[in-house]
Amino acid sequence: DIQMTQSPSTLSASVGDRVTITCRASQSITNRLAWYQQKPGKAPKLLIYMASTLESGVPSRFSGSGSGTEFTLTISSLQPDDFATYYCQQYNSYSPYTFGQGTKLEIK
Amino acid sequence: QVQLQESGPGLVRPSQTLSLTCTVSGGSISNVSYYWSWIRQPAGKGLQFIGRIYTSGSTDYNPSLKSRVTISVDTSKNQLSLRLSSVTAADTAVYYCARVRNLGVVIGWLDPWGQGTLVTVSS
Repeated sequence: DIQMTQSPSTLSASVGDRVTITCRASQSITNRLAWYQQKPGKAPKLLIYMASTLESGVPSRFSGSGSGTEFTLTISSLQPDDFATYYCQQYNSYSPYTFGQGTKLEIK
Repeated sequence: QVQLQESGPGLVRPSQTLSLTCTVSGGSISNVSYYWSWIRQPAGKGLQFIGRIYTSGSTDYNPSLKSRVTISVDTSKNQLSLRLSSVTAADTAVYYCARVRNLGVVIGWLDPWGQGTLVTVSS
């Protein structure tokens, strides 16, 4: 399996802050990476696919970058609705699809 | 827009078989642009991909669960199903179904997801 490692596991930030979450793959996955946002008691919601393509309807303050083994999700100016847990997922190889362990974004 | 809804028993006895159904509305499960999948999440933990199925019935399973998992599709009912046999407490989780985008050379991001259903394995 391709292992996905996110950092940090927990991130404390304030409204208006710029935050970055990193996801590293155990081998190259080219740009086949998605990011999801999950709020308590809810299903994950797709934010970004193909590493940097913003899903329709997702605010432009969210952006993704990277290729190969290192990827980032950036929120340019945190809004109250953004406090949630974020997951990355690789789909370069169905061996099987794997997710990062999650990054919990908390209010400072 | 497409919506997915999981259904099934919330309590399963150890060693029995977990059976869930996902009903797809607002779109056809036979659409060749998509696969369909199951994912699970134990309480307070991360996401584990269980497997995926194409409209043809072709399946791919997580090797860690492969010996116990069966995913099927019923195109007449626009539903996909999950069966997980010989369950233990470790199989207690929220189970989600999700649509998987299929671009041919690229298959893999998940959208949308169902709301999830909690399955508890306990005697």
